[in-house]
Amino acid sequence: KQEVTQIPAALSVPEGENLVLNCSFTDSAIYNLQWFRQDPGKGLTSLLLIQSSQREQTSGRLNASLDKSSGRSTLYIAASQPGDSATYLCAVSGLGNQFYFGTGTSLTVIP
Amino acid sequence: SAVISQKPSRDICQRGTSLTIQCQVDSQVTMMFWYRQQPGQSLTLIATANQGSEATYESGFVIDKFPISRPNLTFSTLTVSNMSPEDSSIYLCSVEGFSGGSGKLFFGSGTQLSVL
Repeated sequence: KQEVTQIPAALSVPEGENLVLNCSFTDSAIYNLQWFRQDPGKGLTSLLLIQSSQREQTSGRLNASLDKSSGRSTLYIAASQPGDSATYLCAVSGLGNQFYFGTGTSLTVIP
Repeated sequence: SAVISQKPSRDICQRGTSLTIQCQVDSQVTMMFWYRQQPGQSLTLIATANQGSEATYESGFVIDKFPISRPNLTFSTLTVSNMSPEDSSIYLCSVEGFSGGSGKLFFGSGTQLSVL
C-alpha cells in the first residue's frame, strides 16, 4: 500500500526566507502528485499539480518538483510571508483512482 | 476547476445526535468523495458517492454510521449518526476534475465537528 511521508512535521521561519517542504512516497507507480494548503479548521486549497510525466510546476512564489523514481517531491516557497502560515499537504494518486495523503507540514512564518 | 460549497462550516453537537453535512458542486461530477480528518491526522477516505447507486465505503466505515445520499450529479450529503466524542473531526467533501489527463482533487471548505 502507498505510504506518503512529509518532513518536517512543523517548521518555523522568519519572514523573507526561502524554504523547502518535503514529501516522499513508497510506490513510484503514480499518476500525479498534488500539493495543498490547509488553514486551521478549513478545507484544502490546491496549490500545484504535477503529472507523473512532469518534473516540476511553478505558480508565483511556489515551485514543486517531482522525482518519481526516487519517490520524492519538494515544494519550494520563495520569500516567505506571514500569510503563507498554514499546513501544507501532499497527495499522490495511483491505481484504482486512489488518493494517498501525507500528514502535512505545519508552517509558521514569523513577521 | 470546480467550486464546492459545503455546510455547515462548523457545529458543536451532543453525544447521541446526528448531523447532516451538505456538499454542492457547481458542475456535474460522476464521483464525490467524503473524507475525515481527525485532529492532527491526515485525511482518511470514508466513502465514494456515485449518483444513482449505493456509496462505496472504505474499510472501517459503515453505512449505518455514515449514511450518504447522492440524489443528482451536483449534490451529496453525509450524515454522522449517533455521534460520540470520537467523531470530532473535520469532514471534507471532494470531487475530481481532470487536468492534463489525470485527476485533480478539489475540496469544499470543510465541516469542523465537535461532539460533547
